Amino acid sequence: QLQLQESGSGLVKPSQTLSLTCAVSGDSISSGGYSWSWIRQPPGKGLVWIGYIYPSGSTDYNPSLKSRVTLSVDTSKNQFSLKLTSVTAADTAVYYCARGRRPYEIDYWGQGTLVTVSS
Amino acid sequence: QSVLTQPPSASGTPGQRVTISCSGSRSNLGSNTVHWYQQLPGTAPKLLIYTNNQRPSGVPDRFSGSKSGTSASLAISGLQSDDEADYYCAAWDDSLNGWVFGGGTKLAVL
Repeated sequence: QLQLQESGSGLVKPSQTLSLTCAVSGDSISSGGYSWSWIRQPPGKGLVWIGYIYPSGSTDYNPSLKSRVTLSVDTSKNQFSLKLTSVTAADTAVYYCARGRRPYEIDYWGQGTLVTVSS
Repeated sequence: QSVLTQPPSASGTPGQRVTISCSGSRSNLGSNTVHWYQQLPGTAPKLLIYTNNQRPSGVPDRFSGSKSGTSASLAISGLQSDDEADYYCAAWDDSLNGWVFGGGTKLAVL
């Protein structure tokens, strides 16, 4: 059974960089031709796709966040990561990592991790 | 403002059938398949319906989906109290080159 687990800082100061890592277990991140995404959900609001990365390192980002987002992948550790720069309170959200099959469904999700931006 | 449009709330009584709608545009629902997720309070979204009307293993056949043009709907029959959750539609968007979601529909079982 595939499992995804987010980790990283739960509290980030305004203007600093948010960093999260998603550890994948139960299968190789390199198998099956899947893309690996980050999705966030502000408190009480809906889901927003942030971007995805392939094991090759190929990426695509939501234009609304593109200037501040960098995704990376470490296939040797079976994990991928998110960096979001210059954060503000509007970036406070539960961040999920997930596996997707473009242009079809996102099928597996991590449990999510709450990141709060506050001084 | 979500790319896909859903009603913010829906409700029904136990045993009833309820439907939740999802409206999009040519670049998402008009070109690609729709998927539905169930999010119980405090948990991650769970894939409920994929590729318009397919159920993952373990999802009861009380849940069904359909799509026509740029609109889609999720139907839940034999409503149960455990079905109280937020439901989201999603699709690949060819213009965004990424996934888009509806704003979510909170289902109450009265």
